Amino acid sequence: AQRVTQPEKLLSVFKGAPVELKCNYSYSGSPELFWYVQYSRQRLQLLLRHISRESIKGFTADLNKGETSFHLKKPFAQEEDSAMYYCALSKNFGNEKLTFGTGTRLTIIP
Amino acid sequence: DAGVTQSPTHLIKTRGQHVTLRCSPISGHKSVSWYQQVLGQGPQFIFQYYEKEERGRGNFPDRFSARQFPNYSSELNVNALLLGDSALYLCASGALDRGGGADTQYFGPGTRLTVL
Repeated sequence: AQRVTQPEKLLSVFKGAPVELKCNYSYSGSPELFWYVQYSRQRLQLLLRHISRESIKGFTADLNKGETSFHLKKPFAQEEDSAMYYCALSKNFGNEKLTFGTGTRLTIIP
Repeated sequence: DAGVTQSPTHLIKTRGQHVTLRCSPISGHKSVSWYQQVLGQGPQFIFQYYEKEERGRGNFPDRFSARQFPNYSSELNVNALLLGDSALYLCASGALDRGGGADTQYFGPGTRLTVL
């Protein structure tokens, strides 16, 4: 069975401070991991996926298969980063269903 | 392109009634997935359709059904509504990459269903 755990429901960080949103997963195969973000009054949208190895809006995430983690990081938080963040997993190869975590609400304090 | 569109935006029903939710995917996308998002939780997978065929089903009762039309739009039907069906229902479309690697899924704004 696939499972995604986001241990923090709420996270508050001062502007300019580093941000880390935690995500752990359980899956017996080789998963594909994603971070989705939902800004206020907007739809859920993809932030980044591990196979792209891109940095989007200053965020990065590294897949650690040993620790089964995919933590989202940003060195300097900005006010516009305040949003709901969801970690998600799908099976590799093909457009498979996404299994989401419960989400972390990130608030950046000015 | 307006992206994935869903209708209606909001819906209020009473227990025992039936509801139909609609989704139009991004032009060129042949895969449509449905998710239920209960308040305080992440989206939970209900169905996926590709080329009008069901490709996946989540852990939902038979009261939930869906179909995909030749133009790739989709409907989600829920019969005998329960209070617990109150949620945001999300539709997502994707291009379905068979070459390896899950394709990005693009989400619609959702339909907020309230069951009284």
